[in-house]
Amino acid sequence: DGGITQSPKYLFRKEGQNVTLSCEQNLNHDAMYWYRQDPGQGLRLIYYSQIVNDFQKGDIAEGYSVSREKKESFPLTVTSAQKNPTAFYLCASSFDAGIHRTSGANVLTFGAGSRLTVL
Amino acid sequence: GQQVMQIPQYQHVQEGEDFTTYCNSSTTLSNIQWYKQRPGGHPVFLIQLVKSGEVKKQKRLTFQFGEAKKNSSLHITATQTTDVGTYFCAGRPAGRRALTFGSGTRLQVQP
Repeated sequence: DGGITQSPKYLFRKEGQNVTLSCEQNLNHDAMYWYRQDPGQGLRLIYYSQIVNDFQKGDIAEGYSVSREKKESFPLTVTSAQKNPTAFYLCASSFDAGIHRTSGANVLTFGAGSRLTVL
Repeated sequence: GQQVMQIPQYQHVQEGEDFTTYCNSSTTLSNIQWYKQRPGGHPVFLIQLVKSGEVKKQKRLTFQFGEAKKNSSLHITATQTTDVGTYFCAGRPAGRRALTFGSGTRLQVQP
């Protein structure tokens, strides 16, 4: 079955440590995204990538880094510079990043999420 | 800052009552999408609206896109306990490639 796999599902980190969240998709999607969700709030965009070896900052990129070396993979590193990293992190993908407004190409498929807690 | 707002933030209804959530953008949107997130789950795509004034229905759910393409609504007729969750709208403001999500409306349905 095609889908998006995020790991780990739960992660605990000590302050000052970097941590990397994995996101893998086998949907043959070009675009991939990372969103952060805090309790009772909406999804805020961290980074997105429209194509391999290219990515753009979202609204809250500070303290995060990403790479897109393969089409299937878009890992997110939460660095020690992120002041409040405890949150639910959601990875998503789409066929493209919204170029074709009348098609379903920018419909997002989400992974199950990774819940990060900083101790 | 947040460009897509949703109201209400939370709604508690009795099973069988209707429910509506509203989505408003400060800028024109090329399209609007709606997602549902069950408690403990991840957002799942419901529908996309593209045309000004468009109305789409999915069983008890009715979705509208405003004439100015700056607002949208989701109406659920005769809610059921399976409707419980948070409903998000998401749009792509002009000049932006990625979707911007609204803050969501959490729906609780009392049996």
